[in-house]
Amino acid sequence: KAGVTQTPRYLIKTRGQQVTLSCSPISGHRSVSWYQQTPGQGLQFLFEYFSETQRNKGNFPGRFSGRQFSNSRSEMNVSTLELGDSALYLCASRLGQGRTGELFFGEGSRLTVL
Amino acid sequence: DQQVKQNSPSLSVQEGRISILNCDYTNSMFDYFLWYKKYPAEGPTFLISISSIKDKNEDGRFTVFLNKSAKHLSLHIVPSQPGDSAVYFCAASHSGTYKYIFGTGTRLKVLA
Repeated sequence: KAGVTQTPRYLIKTRGQQVTLSCSPISGHRSVSWYQQTPGQGLQFLFEYFSETQRNKGNFPGRFSGRQFSNSRSEMNVSTLELGDSALYLCASRLGQGRTGELFFGEGSRLTVL
Repeated sequence: DQQVKQNSPSLSVQEGRISILNCDYTNSMFDYFLWYKKYPAEGPTFLISISSIKDKNEDGRFTVFLNKSAKHLSLHIVPSQPGDSAVYFCAASHSGTYKYIFGTGTRLKVLA
């Protein structure tokens, strides 16, 4: 069974640009969450989608947005990039509709903003 | 406001000894907790979870203890192995939310 796949794995952007990251969850998983990891901050929750609906959103500015498609694949977009957006962006999927259960993480997309 | 705190950024333990990783939380509504392990250049992987109706859960070398009155949980690894060297994150959630709040992580180094 394929795991969570994130693309691209690495990317470099400049301030002011925008970026789109993609996540394909494990087959059959309908919930997809996004997290930002930076040194000293741990994993900061961005948003969570289930059946194309955003169920939860973290405390990030509106420059951060996401969506989920009918096949459960998800994308997140960051517009007007800032230096502080440099981070590892992790996508995680889980099976169900309920609020508990193991999250399965992808390897992440490492974004560097110059 | 960091609702889940891991106050020790790093920990070194001799191989074969016990590793104890600690996690404190501030939100008394949290009722489900998980531990994840992360190696460099990989995504976090699930280790063990515990619901607030229990105070202990065991899986092989890994045991999680929950002290609700102190709002504290700990992960015990016995015996520790060099392959356990990684960053460990605790996470928490409560009813009414579909998100997990993660701590900042503790880097464990197991010395051979």
